[in-house]
Amino acid sequence: TQLLEQSPQFLSIQEGENLTVYCNSSSVFSSLQWYRQEPGEGPVLLVTVVTGGEVKKLKRLTFQFGDARKDSSLHITAAQPGDTGLYLCAGTDSWGKLQFGAGTQVVVTP
Amino acid sequence: DSGVTQTPKHLITATGQRVTLRCSPRSGDLSVYWYQQSLDQGLQFLIQYYNGEERAKGNILERFSAQQFPDLHSELNLSSLELGDSALYFCASSEAGWGPNTGELFFGEGSRLTVL
Repeated sequence: TQLLEQSPQFLSIQEGENLTVYCNSSSVFSSLQWYRQEPGEGPVLLVTVVTGGEVKKLKRLTFQFGDARKDSSLHITAAQPGDTGLYLCAGTDSWGKLQFGAGTQVVVTP
Repeated sequence: DSGVTQTPKHLITATGQRVTLRCSPRSGDLSVYWYQQSLDQGLQFLIQYYNGEERAKGNILERFSAQQFPDLHSELNLSSLELGDSALYFCASSEAGWGPNTGELFFGEGSRLTVL
């Protein structure tokens, strides 16, 4: 079982549309990270959220950390084909291990 | 380029065999992590080393072992290979060694293992 549940598993949208992916857990995390992985490459860090209720913006990407620090969301505005990739959330568990969710595969078609 | 180097990039071998995957972390990073990524399991944490010592252990099979050497490079040894061991194996490094905030992990490009 995954400590972090991501939804949806797969998302296919047209260029210019908005999308939101979710990362949920029954555990509290001191911090949560979002990574993006492209084919043939390793994951690359997008953002780290630390404070409950925190909202961080990275150009067209908006990340939110839940008030209870158990969940997070990633919203992409006006998606572009370059946003295509596997989006992974990751949190450090109580044993100090960085655990990843299964990921959401996002495909943005022109 | 993350600065993390993994070799080999691709490896094809037979069941029952043994392979060694190698990882050189980013310059200055003391922590090395190994992850296994397969289609049905996602990215699974295997093991972490910090400055030569094992720091955390995840879902690593007894057939697998790892170590970090004095020059900080790491090796993941996979033995008695089974078909189900076919996966992408990622190495990552970070400055941090322990604690609730791991900091950014820098991943290599992975080693794709195919067991036939």
